[in-house]
Amino acid sequence: TQLLEQSPQFLSIQEGENLTVYCNSSSVFSSLQWYRQEPGEGPVLLVTVVTGGEVKKLKRLTFQFGDARKDSSLHITAALPGDTGLYLCAGAYNFNKFYFGSGTKLNVKP
Amino acid sequence: DAGITQSPRHKVTETGTPVTLRCHQTENHRYMYWYRQDPGHGLRLIHYSYGVKDTDKGEVSDGYSVSRSKTEDFLLTLESATSSQTSVYFCAISGLGAGADTQYFGPGTRLTVL
Repeated sequence: TQLLEQSPQFLSIQEGENLTVYCNSSSVFSSLQWYRQEPGEGPVLLVTVVTGGEVKKLKRLTFQFGDARKDSSLHITAALPGDTGLYLCAGAYNFNKFYFGSGTKLNVKP
Repeated sequence: DAGITQSPRHKVTETGTPVTLRCHQTENHRYMYWYRQDPGHGLRLIHYSYGVKDTDKGEVSDGYSVSRSKTEDFLLTLESATSSQTSVYFCAISGLGAGADTQYFGPGTRLTVL
């Protein structure tokens, strides 16, 4: 059973399109992280959201933490081929333990 | 980039043999983790450490043991490897205070058990 459900699992879009990735759980987390992973490498942190309702922006990426701190979304505006990769969400619980979602594989075609 | 190295980077072994993977950090971070990554499962926590000689189990700890005798090193041992342990293994570290929610990952070890 996956504690964090990510959707969609796969996404293939054209350059310039917008997309949203969702991360949902029935559990409350003290914080939630989004990572991006490229083939053959470890995940790299994009953002951490801590407060319910929090919105953070990183250039064309917008991250939102749900009011109840159970879910989050990642929105990419005008996607570029360089955005291609595996996007992972992770929820922090018991201070320093983390559960990961199964990931969303994004392919942006030029 | 955080100073985390993993060795070996690739290993092929046979069922029933012992295997030890090493994670080394130069950041002096308190927390260290071992994850495995398999298609469709994301990253799953195997074991983690919250200090020297202090370790605890994660969600998929069966068949694995760990040791941490120094702050900088965290070892993952498969006592008797099985084909179901074929996976990519990642080590991660995190600190205290403001850095507690940030994990830095190593480059991974690809393990194949034949």
